[in-house]
Amino acid sequence: GAGVSQSPSNKVTEKGKDVELRCDPISGHTALYWYRQSLGQGLEFLIYFQGNSAPDKSGLPSDRFSAERTGGSVSTLTIQRTQQEDSAVYLCASSRQPNQPQHFGDGTRLSIL
Amino acid sequence: DQQVKQNSPSLSVQEGRISILNCDYTNSMFDYFLWYKKYPAEGPTFLISISSIKDKNEDGRFTVFLNKSAKHLSLHIVPSQPGDSAVYFCAARVRAGTASKLTFGTGTRLQVTL
Repeated sequence: GAGVSQSPSNKVTEKGKDVELRCDPISGHTALYWYRQSLGQGLEFLIYFQGNSAPDKSGLPSDRFSAERTGGSVSTLTIQRTQQEDSAVYLCASSRQPNQPQHFGDGTRLSIL
Repeated sequence: DQQVKQNSPSLSVQEGRISILNCDYTNSMFDYFLWYKKYPAEGPTFLISISSIKDKNEDGRFTVFLNKSAKHLSLHIVPSQPGDSAVYFCAARVRAGTASKLTFGTGTRLQVTL
């Protein structure tokens, strides 16, 4: 597709379970970002991948959160032992180069019961 | 600490009038500013940006103004149209060469009425 694709669009899970969120960036985009938006909040930066460089993980809220980007394309964000405060919309974005505008997917709405 | 602030959570404007959305920031290291528009259940869509070396950037009905001394930027939409009804996010980025993560404000919901 032409845009950033995220799956699933919605995920409901029980507290304590692990979840995996997927992002397919726009083809040819070297930079990939994960953000989350909690209710009533702005977007909060989580992690940033650029090419083969080590990712910027400075936004990950705890060691339960991890992400990887395989082959410089698809990325997965994993949340282990989910907590209720992890409930949010998780948004992925990509850009052709780091300093160019980021294009966002429609997000995954994660609900922890 | 909220480095990018949008103090108006909502704004209502009549169709055809000017919409002015405001954003303040505290980090003097920000050198690039963007506005995104977001419809419900969709991801944010890039609208317009401005570099800190400029004070104005215009694209059709959208103009962004930057006042560096006041650490303030605004988005003007004129004339406003019903399709402009959405949540608008202001975002900022630190100097080029460092991580390109964006810092977002909390958004302003614009309602354009008939």
